[in-house]
Amino acid sequence: KQEVTQIPAALSVPEGENLVLNCSFTDSAIYNLQWFRQDPGKGLTSLLLIQSSQREQTSGRLNASLDKSSGRSTLYIAASQPGDSATYLCAVSTGGFKTIFGAGTRLFVKA
Amino acid sequence: DVKVTQSSRYLVKRTGEKVFLECVQDMDHENMFWYRQDPGLGLRLIYFSYDVKMKEKGDIPEGYSVSREKKERFSLILESASTNQTSMYLCASATGTALYEQYFGPGTRLTVT
Repeated sequence: KQEVTQIPAALSVPEGENLVLNCSFTDSAIYNLQWFRQDPGKGLTSLLLIQSSQREQTSGRLNASLDKSSGRSTLYIAASQPGDSATYLCAVSTGGFKTIFGAGTRLFVKA
Repeated sequence: DVKVTQSSRYLVKRTGEKVFLECVQDMDHENMFWYRQDPGLGLRLIYFSYDVKMKEKGDIPEGYSVSREKKERFSLILESASTNQTSMYLCASATGTALYEQYFGPGTRLTVT
């Protein structure tokens, strides 16, 4: 059974710092991996999608990497800003209708 | 832009009540999902629907049922609400070709007392 774990559960950093969020999954047979952002009391917004054949994806200050063999992904946020404060969720898809979500990392960027 | 709306942002119900959560999407998506989100557990799939009147059970369907009479609307029903169903409920929709590209509604925070 696929399981997705995110460490740390919460993180507080000063503005301007570069940071890395971690995601691990137990079964390397994935179709793709996504990183989502969730603001308090709101739904999820997809940030980056990495197909199983890809190693990384970039969008602005965000860079996500994927290492299927080790079952790991990282989300790198450069030059963090207070507006980046949110919960970041990692999710893997195995090709069917089920997407398996991690519990998320709650990020707080201090001004 | 895809828009997924949920009927209520906050809902308080009593134990034993029948509860309806409504979700509407405006992008003609074939697929719709209901999840619940609890601290430390992430999102867990309750039910999935791939067409009108068609559904599949997710990982935690017990205590829930669903209804999809129209393509744009997917309802989650708690037949007899219990306190352990207090949670955030999220609806999502996706096209027929990319089930993983899900668009989420804002969520309904349900409290059962």
